[in-house]
Amino acid sequence: SAVISQKPSRDICQRGTSLTIQCQVDSQVTMMFWYRQQPGQSLTLIATANQGSEATYESGFVIDKFPISRPNLTFSTLTVSNMSPEDSSIYLCSLRTSRETQYFGPGTRLLVL
Amino acid sequence: GENVEQHPSTLSVQEGDSAVIKCTYSDSASNYFPWYKQELGKRPQLIIDIRSNVGEKKDQRIAVTLNKTAKHFSLHITETQPEDSAVYFCAASPITGFQKLVFGTGTRLLVSP
Repeated sequence: SAVISQKPSRDICQRGTSLTIQCQVDSQVTMMFWYRQQPGQSLTLIATANQGSEATYESGFVIDKFPISRPNLTFSTLTVSNMSPEDSSIYLCSLRTSRETQYFGPGTRLLVL
Repeated sequence: GENVEQHPSTLSVQEGDSAVIKCTYSDSASNYFPWYKQELGKRPQLIIDIRSNVGEKKDQRIAVTLNKTAKHFSLHITETQPEDSAVYFCAASPITGFQKLVFGTGTRLLVSP
């Protein structure tokens, strides 16, 4: 399976600021996804990121709050904008293989004070 | 859209016992059903998956069964070991859109020695 890395692995941020999370994959993939996992909860899809097109956001998530870039087939970024304590979560990127299987990155633990 | 329910939310067993986790889904068009194991502080790891053209799949101590008519699928772990202790998530993937995963709420499994 592909090797997925995320930066930063964790961060503590002040409310009102923004944080950009990077996701790097060691092979070219078409489909990448960004998820949020709030403390003790399940995974919720934020958006689907395809290379060369605008990200597709799920209900409850908007581009102004979570802008996403996908400049090539091995890299994506998620920005959490104008953060509040409610944004404290683990953010995970994932990729989908040609056989529907999804693999997850190690996650970014975000704490907003 | 798709909705996935998962039961139980917590499950405690003795080492060597079997554990069963059940999920139901709402969208009859879903055709891919993975199970993920998430240890504390780690990323979700795919442990087994099943597609709608198969009724059962087994991998050593782990098996998954699928009942398309009833729209439910189950994870079976036999001869449980303390290292099986983790949170398990089921998911379903509709065939429309980007085949994005919709996750269940998770089951915390505790295997006592």
